[in-house]
Amino acid sequence: GESVGLHLPTLSVQEGDNSIINCAYSNSASDYFIWYKQESGKGPQFIIDIRSNMDKRQGQRVTVLLNKTVKHLSLQIAATQPGDSAVYFCAENYGGSQGNLIFGKGTKLSVKP
Amino acid sequence: EAGVVQSPRYKIIEKKQPVAFWCNPISGHNTLYWYRQNLGQGPELLIRYENEEAVDDSQLPKDRFSAERLKGVDSTLKIQPAELGDSAVYLCASSMGTSGTEAPQYFGPGTRLLVL
Repeated sequence: GESVGLHLPTLSVQEGDNSIINCAYSNSASDYFIWYKQESGKGPQFIIDIRSNMDKRQGQRVTVLLNKTVKHLSLQIAATQPGDSAVYFCAENYGGSQGNLIFGKGTKLSVKP
Repeated sequence: EAGVVQSPRYKIIEKKQPVAFWCNPISGHNTLYWYRQNLGQGPELLIRYENEEAVDDSQLPKDRFSAERLKGVDSTLKIQPAELGDSAVYLCASSMGTSGTEAPQYFGPGTRLLVL
């Protein structure tokens, strides 16, 4: 079906290393994507977004890459810190109803000190 | 800047009882969303408002769920009667975007509902 999926449910990295969280989407009409971070007991926190007319966008310690050819989205976190430990969701703006986001199930990132 | 405010943060009720959740969006955000998030899952949209108008309520179980946003600012989501399967986190989000525009949604902390 048309939904956002994930390649890995869990990811464990050493503090200071770079993290890469992947996401696959199947809706070719999606034109806007967002990465969220959700810590235990909290709501999703906006990290970074990207529009389909871009293939890369950088923020503070984070980079999002969009490959429309293979319908793949990734979030790169540089110099991962213990505070980055959380569940990360990618979400796509469902083209059939602009403004509605479809979320994947999330990837749990654990940072080892 | 204050974020999205939700209350209560936690609610425990017995099945068949009513329950209501309240949301105050970020000032100036005309679009408001209610999501439900089950354990280990991503949020799923229940209803989307643009100002006072519910522009998408296709995923709202209308036999027991209702929502309102009377003055285009605060919103309430109600369940009556609650069922065991309604146990979840209910998230409110807001954005400056409307249909045809792209803008990030900002989420509140959620209300954790447990139905016994």
